[in-house]
Amino acid sequence: EAQVTQNPRYLITVTGKKLTVTCSQNMNHEYMSWYRQDPGLGLRQIYYSMNVEVTDKGDVPEGYKVSRKEKRNFPLILESPSPNQTSLYFCASSLDGEFYGYTFGSGTRLTVV
Amino acid sequence: AQKITQTQPGMFVQEKEAVTLDCTYDTSDPSYGLFWYKQPSSGEMIFLIYQGSYDQQNATEGRYSLNFQKARKSANLVISASQLGDSAMYFCAMREVNYGGSQGNLIFGKGTKLSVKP
Repeated sequence: EAQVTQNPRYLITVTGKKLTVTCSQNMNHEYMSWYRQDPGLGLRQIYYSMNVEVTDKGDVPEGYKVSRKEKRNFPLILESPSPNQTSLYFCASSLDGEFYGYTFGSGTRLTVV
Repeated sequence: AQKITQTQPGMFVQEKEAVTLDCTYDTSDPSYGLFWYKQPSSGEMIFLIYQGSYDQQNATEGRYSLNFQKARKSANLVISASQLGDSAMYFCAMREVNYGGSQGNLIFGKGTKLSVKP
């Protein structure tokens, strides 16, 4: 089944403790992206990647890191999480990021206390 | 300025009736794509329908159709024969192909919460 898999689905952590949210897609998509969703603000792009070893900042990259060492994986790293990073996070992939639709992961609900 | 505007924070519709969810957009890019996604209470984002800026005909996918009025920069979603399972948040989104910033960035509206009444 074609899908984007995010883990974990739920995570509660403490301020400053490094964490990684994993994202993997099995559709051989070139384009992958991370979004965060907050009430009243909608979904905002954090980082995106157009291919292996090619990543760039989205609209709200502060406090996040990403890497794209393999085509299928695009982990989101929070080096020192803070409470304002409490949010619902989505990973998404697309064949080329231009003319094809996005497939979203199931989301990761992160709470930083 | 908002690039995607959804003016209806919440809507109610009677089961089996049709409903239109509004979306207007703003872009100077001649090439763009418009998307609708459904987000049920479980949280996942489900792709519903896509309309390209150069598509001559309105997109349709089963009970979903997109009323695309390019001159008015409007891309309304029409759901025919509403079902209880249609109760969810609905997001309109746009992707500008030649946008100088984040390429491929999907810009989302703030969403419309649809409630289907039995």
